[in-house]
Amino acid sequence: EADIYQTPRYLVIGTGKKITLECSQTMGHDKMYWYQQDPGMELHLIHYSYGVNSTEKGDLSSESTVSRIRTEHFPLTLESARPSHTSQYLCASSDAASRTGDKSSYNEQFFGPGTRLTVL
Amino acid sequence: KNQVEQSPQSLIILEGKNCTLQCNYTVSPFSNLRWYKQDTGRGPVSLTIMTFSENTKSNGRYTATLDADTKQSSLHITASQLSDSASYICVVSDRGSTLGRLYFGRGTQLTVWP
Repeated sequence: EADIYQTPRYLVIGTGKKITLECSQTMGHDKMYWYQQDPGMELHLIHYSYGVNSTEKGDLSSESTVSRIRTEHFPLTLESARPSHTSQYLCASSDAASRTGDKSSYNEQFFGPGTRLTVL
Repeated sequence: KNQVEQSPQSLIILEGKNCTLQCNYTVSPFSNLRWYKQDTGRGPVSLTIMTFSENTKSNGRYTATLDADTKQSSLHITASQLSDSASYICVVSDRGSTLGRLYFGRGTQLTVWP
C-alpha cells in the first residue's frame, strides 16, 4: 500500500473561508500532483510539482494554489471557498520518469485517499 | 485531442460471474496503459500496467489486454466477488513529455450483487 496521506478526509465549510488541504508522502518521490474529481467524471489535473520549489498549473483551471517547500509535503490552498469548489481532491506522487531508448519508465502515480470538500 | 473512452458506464453482475470492461483511447504518442480500481471515497489503486509491446497482463482474477493497433484495451474479471464493486478506470500515459501526462477515462462503475 502506498504511503501517501491526505487530511482532512472530509471537510464541510462555509463560503468565503480559507482552507488548506494537506498531502504528505513518505516515499521520497520527486513528483506530486493534485487532481479534482466530480462524481462519475474523470480525474482532472489541477496542479503538479517536479520537486521542491517547483509548481505548475495543470489542465483544469483552478482558483487554488499549491506550494512545495519540502519534498514530502504538497498542500493545496483555497483563499476563499465557494460552492463551485465542492468536489473530491486527490493527491498523488511518483518517481521521476526515466527514458531508455523507446521505452519510458512506468512513472506510476500513487494516490492518496482523497479529501471530500463541500462548500455551503 | 487525447481522449480515453470507457464502456459500459455502469455494470451490475451477480457474484461469481465474469465480466469484461472496455477502453478505447486516442492518446499519442502512447507510452503505457493502466487499469485502476477506485473504491467509493478512496483514491485509485493500480491493477495492471502495459506498455506498447505487451498485449496481456494478469493480476490474480484481473486480466488486461491491449491492442495498440486498434488502440483498445479490456479488463476481464473472473469469478467476481462482492469486494470487486468499485469504479474501474482506464488511464493512458503519453511519452511526449517528461511529466508522463496521464489521461483518465470516466470509469466503469461495477456493482456485484450476492
